[in-house]
Amino acid sequence: NAGVMQNPRHLVRRRGQEARLRCSPMKGHSHVYWYRQLPEEGLKFMVYLQKENIIDESGMPKERFSAEFPKEGPSILRIQQVVRGDSAAYFCASSPSASEAYEQYFGPGTRLTVT
Amino acid sequence: KQEVTQIPAALSVPEGENLVLNCSFTDSAIYNLQWFRQDPGKGLTSLLLIQSSQREQTSGRLNASLDKSSGRSTLYIAASQPGDSATYLCAGLGSGGSNYKLTFGKGTLLTVNP
Repeated sequence: NAGVMQNPRHLVRRRGQEARLRCSPMKGHSHVYWYRQLPEEGLKFMVYLQKENIIDESGMPKERFSAEFPKEGPSILRIQQVVRGDSAAYFCASSPSASEAYEQYFGPGTRLTVT
Repeated sequence: KQEVTQIPAALSVPEGENLVLNCSFTDSAIYNLQWFRQDPGKGLTSLLLIQSSQREQTSGRLNASLDKSSGRSTLYIAASQPGDSATYLCAGLGSGGSNYKLTFGKGTLLTVNP
């Protein structure tokens, strides 16, 4: 059973470009969580999604950031018009159900560098 | 708002030493407390999960305790090895309506010297 997969593992974007980060949850998991780890900071919750639904996006910046988890395919975290302050490691986690949200399995992360 | 603090920020010990990593949290209404390991450039590996009704969990040379009343958790590593070198993260899971949101500390960077 493959774990949580994220791609790309490393992403370099120039200021103003778009970044798309993908997360494939573990098989059988339908709940996805995104976290961001800024340099020298702890991981911070960004957004919680179920298939085709955003449950909680309270941790997402109001502008330029969006997330989706379609019925088919991976969850996507999209950052438009990236700025240097977006440089961070973005981690995705998944759980089988809402009642098992205490058991989140993490992917290897995508390290975004904005030049 | 839950805040998690980890002390020390960095720790260097000789191989074989027993050590304790500390974690404190501000909101005692956490659902559970989890310890993770993070290797450089890698993802997070869950080490131990202590549910709200439990006081401690053990796995091999690792033992984690939780005292909700004082807002503290400790991770005890016995007979440390160079392979234990990593960053250790403590995270609390919210209760009630946010029992899916993990709040992380900044971590303790552990170096075990051979």
